Amino acid sequence: AQRVTQPEKLLSVFKGAPVELKCNYSYSGSPELFWYVQYSRQRLQLLLRHISRESIKGFTADLNKGETSFHLKKPFAQEEDSAMYYCALASNAGKSTFGDGTTLTVKP
Amino acid sequence: EAGVAQSPRYKIIEKRQSVAFWCNPISGHATLYWYQQILGQGPKLLIQFQNNGVVDDSQLPKDRFSAERLKGVDSTLKIQPAKLEDSAVYLCASSFSQIGGAETQYFGPGTRLLVL
Repeated sequence: AQRVTQPEKLLSVFKGAPVELKCNYSYSGSPELFWYVQYSRQRLQLLLRHISRESIKGFTADLNKGETSFHLKKPFAQEEDSAMYYCALASNAGKSTFGDGTTLTVKP
Repeated sequence: EAGVAQSPRYKIIEKRQSVAFWCNPISGHATLYWYQQILGQGPKLLIQFQNNGVVDDSQLPKDRFSAERLKGVDSTLKIQPAKLEDSAVYLCASSFSQIGGAETQYFGPGTRLLVL
């Protein structure tokens, strides 16, 4: 069975501070990991996926297979980063499992 | 490019009634997903179609939920009869993949269902 755990429901940081949103997964095969974001009053959208190795809006995420983690990081948080963040895992067959999300609040 | 469309946006029904949701995916997207998102939780996959075939419906409560994707384009999700615990946001998503595998999903705005 595949599982995604986001241990923090809420995370609050000040503007300009580093931020890390944790994601741990359980999957027996080789997973594809994603971070999706939902800004206020907007639909859920892709932020980044590990296979592309891109940095989107200053966010990066590294897949650590040893620790089965895919934490999302940004060195300097901005107020516009305040949103709900979901980590997701897709199996080789394309079946997706989402974590329960972390609400990030960036305070001025 | 038009996004994933869903209707209705909101629905209030009484328990034991029936309800149906509609989804129109992005043009050309072969894979369509229905998710249930209960308040405070992440989206849970109910059913995944590739064209008009079912890829995964292992978490669909088949005694009351049904879904179809006729002609491999639009899809409908039905609940009959509804229970209080079905109150949730129902999300539709689509992805391009023609051959399966993990791909970026594009989400609709969701339908918020309240069962009284």
